[in-house]
Amino acid sequence: NAGVTQTPKFQVLKTGQSMTLQCAQDMNHEYMSWYRQDPGMGLRLIHYSVGAGITDQGEVPNGYNVSRSTTEDFPLRLLSAAPSQTSVYFCASSEEPTGELFFGEGSRLTVL
Amino acid sequence: AQKITQTQPGMFVQEKEAVTLDCTYDTSDPSYGLFWYKQPSSGEMIFLIYQGSYDQQNATEGRYSLNFQKARKSANLVISASQLGDSAMYFCAMREGRQAGTALIFGKGTTLSVSS
Repeated sequence: NAGVTQTPKFQVLKTGQSMTLQCAQDMNHEYMSWYRQDPGMGLRLIHYSVGAGITDQGEVPNGYNVSRSTTEDFPLRLLSAAPSQTSVYFCASSEEPTGELFFGEGSRLTVL
Repeated sequence: AQKITQTQPGMFVQEKEAVTLDCTYDTSDPSYGLFWYKQPSSGEMIFLIYQGSYDQQNATEGRYSLNFQKARKSANLVISASQLGDSAMYFCAMREGRQAGTALIFGKGTTLSVSS
């Protein structure tokens, strides 16, 4: 079972470059979200979506864009990478009725 | 104010002992859910246990139990009979509101080290 698939798993960028982290889920979950994990900070919500065509900002949205054209896919775009965006990124989808999150394996991004 | 507080940056326990990881939460919503996730050194996030605010009994999943004290707003994770494979980072998280499509708010985590 694929679950939530993130690509790439590792990426190194130079300051100012743009890139897209891909996220796909095959569980037909309406809710998807992106978190970033930094040492000592836990997981912080970047953006989330409650269904195709609907997205909203989380706690730390600056510098990131998202779109949700299909139920399955929820890409995260970095428009102009900054060293402060060096982090591990997790995509997740959630299931009724509890809201348990199913996570992808994470993407480690380094911005030089 | 933090919504989820985990006050123990690190905990140390010997194999076969029980350990309690602390979590307090802050919400004014009467409907909420509490979660614990485990993150081993390999990095993946593993769901452990869930407690709903209206659940009458404490949740249990195998060696994991959630000590839910609503009046104190605490949701401590108890791991019985610790194993070496329990060494990991543990995160407490909360969903506010009834809907599943609501973001989880995470604490900063507790690192558990189990020794033989």
